[in-house]
Parts: sequence; C-alpha cells; structure tokens
Amino acid sequence: ILNVEQSPQSLHVQEGDSTNFTCSFPSSNFYALHWYRWETAKSPEALFVMTLNGDEKKKGRISATLNTKEGYSYLYIKGSQPEDSATYLCAVQTGANNLFFGTGTRLTVIP
Amino acid sequence: ETGVTQSPTHLIKTRGQQVTLRCSSQSGHNTVSWYQQALGQGPQFIFQYYREEENGRGNFPPRFSGLQFPNYSSELNVNALELDDSALYLCASSLGQNGYTFGSGTRLTVV
Repeated sequence: ILNVEQSPQSLHVQEGDSTNFTCSFPSSNFYALHWYRWETAKSPEALFVMTLNGDEKKKGRISATLNTKEGYSYLYIKGSQPEDSATYLCAVQTGANNLFFGTGTRLTVIP
Repeated sequence: ETGVTQSPTHLIKTRGQQVTLRCSSQSGHNTVSWYQQALGQGPQFIFQYYREEENGRGNFPPRFSGLQFPNYSSELNVNALELDDSALYLCASSLGQNGYTFGSGTRLTVV
C-alpha cells in the first residue's frame, strides 16, 4: 500500500483567481504520476501522466509539475472558471499494475 | 471510439446477497482494472485482468472475484455482501499499463 496525500482537501476560489494543489507520495518504487479531473456523476478524465523528475505538462490553463526525488507534484489552474469546479485526483503508478490514489482536492470556483 | 461503459449505474442490495457489476472496455484496450471508492476515500485497487487472466490483486477478500471475456469486457462479482461494501465501483480499461480510461462507476448500496 502506498500513501498518497493530497492537499488541501477542498477549496473555494473566486472566478479569475489562480490556484494550485499538492500531491505528495513516497519517492521509492515510482513509475508514473497521474492527474485526473472528476466531475460529479461523470468519469474521471485524465489530465496528465508524468514520469520524469522535473516534468512539466500543460493543457490550456492547467499545468502540472513533478518532483520524484522529494515525492510531490503540483497542479496549477490559471484564471479559474466555474467549469473548473471538480475533484482533482492524483494517483501514483508503481512498477506494479495498479494506481494508488489520493483522496482528491475538491475545487469550487465561485462566479 | 467508444469509452468505458459500466452497468448498472446504481443498485441496492441486501446484506448477504450477491451482485455482478459489468464493464465494457474502450475499443483497442486489453486490460481492465476495478477500483472501489468508499465515502471520503480515494479509489482502492481491487484487481486487474489482462487477456482474461487476473493480473494483480489488491487487499480485498476472495468474495470479490472477476472475469474478463474475449472481447475484453469484464465483470466484478461480490458474494455475501456486507454493509461496508457500499461504495462506488469504478472500472478502467487500458492497453497494458498505459492510458487508463475510466467509466463513470456503479453506485452500490447494501442495506
């Protein structure tokens, strides 16, 4: 069992604000880090898969960084919009064949 | 290209009963993984099937079993249901260990 922690558990931001959240994990036996965006009653949507230390990925206003040596990843959202409201899940993939998930960060963007 | 479809979306069962949940994988994917998300937790790995064989299992008792069919669709069976089995059950398909695509889940309530 791998302990993946996400913080904060939830947050509310005003429309237009930028925000970020953290995923931390043990750095041993690391293969990949996955970020998902999950709206209520829908499927988790894959945002990023990152494998290399120092990786940075960007998709529109959302970007992510990875530090495998110290065991953390940041997800950034620039200029938050109400449609960004969702739960953001991170998951660590080890050399084995499954994902270890955090409990998610629930983001609410207030218009 | 179709996504991952799970059925049913919701169901209610009585303690001690048996349940079968179904998942159709995305076209081109040969691997199916099942996860359980209890309230307030991140998804927990149950098991994975690759080419009709179990390919890894999480910390779940034997009354959780599965099948994968030649078309790569899958079933999750749970016998002797307990109240704590109430959860959202997610299925994810992939091509090997790359690019997990999730369904929207089956919400199981055990009363």
